[in-house]
Amino acid sequence: DADVTQTPRNRITKTGKRIMLECSQTKGHDRMYWYRQDPGLGLRLIYYSFDVKDINKGEISDGYSVSRQAQAKFSLSLESAIPNQTALYFCATSDSAGVNEQFFGPGTRLTVL
Amino acid sequence: GQSLEQPSEVTAVEGAIVQINCTYQTSGFYGLSWYQQHDGGAPTFLSYNALDGLEETGRFSSFLSRSDSYGYLLLQELQMKDSASYFCASPRSGYSTLTFGKGTMLLVSP
Repeated sequence: DADVTQTPRNRITKTGKRIMLECSQTKGHDRMYWYRQDPGLGLRLIYYSFDVKDINKGEISDGYSVSRQAQAKFSLSLESAIPNQTALYFCATSDSAGVNEQFFGPGTRLTVL
Repeated sequence: GQSLEQPSEVTAVEGAIVQINCTYQTSGFYGLSWYQQHDGGAPTFLSYNALDGLEETGRFSSFLSRSDSYGYLLLQELQMKDSASYFCASPRSGYSTLTFGKGTMLLVSP
């Protein structure tokens, strides 16, 4: 079984809809991250969490919110989706000492029409 | 601020050696990591250099020169399966999160 899972893997939605992307991990890591990837722009950090009570904004948090429901679960919400949020979204984890080595989920391909 | 620059694309033939460069500008430097990503798949960690010098892991090696703000990933005995995007990354100030370069797409031809 995969250590970091994401659901759904693909989603097509319409402008203005609320969308939640979910991430679960079995690695026992404290740290979890949400990234978006756009062609030619690399991976950009949306939000990150170092434990259940710790949530931090990344470089592109506008239009997104997150919830850390448990150590193993970290969800990303788009309150009112817009077309420029069409992207590939990745969840990642790392242990407390290992920010350099992150473990990524398989990604969610989101299309906003 | 923090930025990492790498070429957008590199091409090579099977069996050859290729070097992917990464130059960085950071307010504080905590080392350089490399990740591999096959088309649309999950990025996977390859290596991390905290200190100057060469780190070798099988066919892949990574080099860092802190005085030159420069590092590279060296891939030897290239195989078709090495066709992928490669990202350099470095921790932000406070060693909390990573900043990624925009990635280098490596195309290996027969």
